Amino acid sequence: NAGVTQTPKFQVLKTGQSMTLQCAQDMNHEYMSWYRQDPGMGLRLIHYSVGAGITDQGEVPNGYNVSRSTTEDFPLRLLSAAPSQTSVYFCASSRQGSYEQYFGPGTRLTVT
Amino acid sequence: GENVEQHPSTLSVQEGDSAVIKCTYSDSASNYFPWYKQELGKRPQLIIDIRSNVGEKKDQRIAVTLNKTAKHFSLHITETQPEDSAVYFCAASITNFYGGSQGNLIFGKGTKLSVKP
Repeated sequence: NAGVTQTPKFQVLKTGQSMTLQCAQDMNHEYMSWYRQDPGMGLRLIHYSVGAGITDQGEVPNGYNVSRSTTEDFPLRLLSAAPSQTSVYFCASSRQGSYEQYFGPGTRLTVT
Repeated sequence: GENVEQHPSTLSVQEGDSAVIKCTYSDSASNYFPWYKQELGKRPQLIIDIRSNVGEKKDQRIAVTLNKTAKHFSLHITETQPEDSAVYFCAASITNFYGGSQGNLIFGKGTKLSVKP
């Protein structure tokens, strides 16, 4: 199993550009989440999904869209990037009825 | 919504000493409390967790205690070693009726632990 994979590993955007951060898992996990990590702020929940077709907002959802059309994939879309979205983004997944969340390796995004 | 406070933000100990990190949470409905360790440039990894029906849990040199009445929980690391140096995060969430976490963890801001040889 590859576990949780994220692409790209690094990305630089200009203000106003759009892009999609990809997240995939091959463990057949029902639950998937997106977090952002900023220095001194810990990890903050952006959006999460409890299954295909079901998503919900976390602590900091503004500026981000998600959809979950398959169990395996949970992309995060930035429609109009802003410098405040410069961060490291982690995707995570977990199995229904289990507790541990498995994190991907992260995507480091810089918006200039 | 849930709010998790974590203290201290930095902690420096001598090798062999104990380290204690404390967290408080605001939502009395939260019933799952994991601790994650993150080394520089790496992803967070679960080191121990506790559910609300348990007051204490141990795993070798690591223990977690939970006081539901006071809404706080703590991580205890004994006989610290240089490889324990990392950032530690506490988190809280509400489990669903399947009994597990549904992926909506709320994290504290982290504690940078430095263990000096």
